[in-house]
Amino acid sequence: TQLLEQSPQFLSIQEGENLTVYCNSSSVFSSLQWYRQEPGEGPVLLVTVVTGGEVKKLKRLTFQFGDARKDSSLHITAAQPGDTGLYLCAGVGDLQGAQKLVFGQGTRLTINP
Amino acid sequence: DAGITQSPRHKVTETGTPVTLRCHQTENHRYMYWYRQDPGHGLRLIHYSYGVKDTDKGEVSDGYSVSRSKTEDFLLTLESATSSQTSVYFCAIRAKAGSSYNEQFFGPGTRLTVL
Repeated sequence: TQLLEQSPQFLSIQEGENLTVYCNSSSVFSSLQWYRQEPGEGPVLLVTVVTGGEVKKLKRLTFQFGDARKDSSLHITAAQPGDTGLYLCAGVGDLQGAQKLVFGQGTRLTINP
Repeated sequence: DAGITQSPRHKVTETGTPVTLRCHQTENHRYMYWYRQDPGHGLRLIHYSYGVKDTDKGEVSDGYSVSRSKTEDFLLTLESATSSQTSVYFCAIRAKAGSSYNEQFFGPGTRLTVL
C-alpha cells in the first residue's frame, strides 16, 4: 500500500514569513499533485510535478519533486492571509487504468495578519 | 471550469437508514470518483467508475455501494448508515480527459451526519 505523509499537519505563522510543507513516501510515484482546499469547498488543483527534481513556481509558491520521485515540497515565500487553507499532496502510483490517487493527510495552514 | 454538482449538500440521518448521495457532471467524462474526508486522513477513495455500469472498489469501500446508469450521474449508497460513516463526501472527475496524470476536479462536497 502506498502512503504519503505530510508534515507538519498544522502550521500557524505571521504574514510575511516563509514556510515549507513536506510530502514524503517510501514509494515511487509517477507524478505528484498539490491541491488547496478552502472551508466548505472541494480541493482545487494547484500544480502537477512529473519529473524527478522538477521545480515549478506559481507566484510565491514553489513546488519541488524529489529526485527519486518519492517526496515533494511546497515552499511559500512571504505568506499572505489569502494562503490560508488545507494543502493536500496526492500521488499517482500507476500509469494504467484508473490511475488512483493516494492523498496525504493534509497540512492546515493559517496565516495571521 | 468543469461542472460538478453534488446533492444533497447537507444531510442528517439516523443509524440504520439507507442514504444515497448523487454526483452529477456536465463534462461527459468517463472516470468519476467518490472520496470521504475525515480529519487526519486526507481523502480516501471509496469507489470509482470508468464508464456506464463499470465500477470498482477503492480503499474504504465496506458499507458502500455505487451505481452509474448514465455517464453524467454517479450515485453513492450507504445501505444501512452507521455513525462511522459520518464524514464529508466528495465526488471528482478527471480534470483533463486523456491526461496521464489523473488531475482531478472536485465537487463541493456533501456533509453527512449519522446520529
